[in-house]
Amino acid sequence: EIVLTQSPGTLSLSPGERATLSCGASQSISSNYLAWYQHKPGQAPSLVIYGASTRGSGVPERFSGSGSGTDFTLTISRLEPEDFAVYYCQQYDSSPWTFGQGTKVEIK
Amino acid sequence: EEQLVESGGNLIQPGGSLRLSCGVSGFAVSYNDMSWVRQAPGKGLEWVSVIYSGGGTDYADAVKGRFTISRDNSKNTLFLQMNSLRVDDTAVYFCARVEGHFDVWGQGTTVIVSS
Repeated sequence: EIVLTQSPGTLSLSPGERATLSCGASQSISSNYLAWYQHKPGQAPSLVIYGASTRGSGVPERFSGSGSGTDFTLTISRLEPEDFAVYYCQQYDSSPWTFGQGTKVEIK
Repeated sequence: EEQLVESGGNLIQPGGSLRLSCGVSGFAVSYNDMSWVRQAPGKGLEWVSVIYSGGGTDYADAVKGRFTISRDNSKNTLFLQMNSLRVDDTAVYFCARVEGHFDVWGQGTTVIVSS
């Protein structure tokens, strides 16, 4: 099983600041089968990034993904009020598909 | 518009059974891979099961042998039959379309396993 470890656990930032979220994998993820999701309480999770770096449909350009192998990053260039949420990385390279434990981006 | 709507969540005693449904609109469940993902209280997301368009299935070890995923193509609905429920199955259960990643999600239905 591929274990994903996200850091930091919580990121306290102000609107307009840059957010950098990390996701490390216990073994190499082939073909960059790594996705990022945004999840707000009481709502459905929503896809942000897939294939490590491709934005989902309708996702603003301020979201970008990078990385390969075992180290991946989600960057939000300038935080908007609606971006404060929990973000999860997920690998779909091998079964069982696994998620990281999440990074909470909160308003400072 | 592609939409998923879960139902069937309830309060159930340990050892009991429950069947969750996921009504699909905007695309055909038969032509897509579909999954269930859950979130226990205060915890992160956990993949539960997948049914492939070809009919094959896969399960997380935590539910293997107790849960069964299926679909009804005529009703365009996904199901999760949950047997021998345990307290640690308490969670919000989401259905999602699989395109490798999960690209469309429902709002979730709550299952509480408690005596």
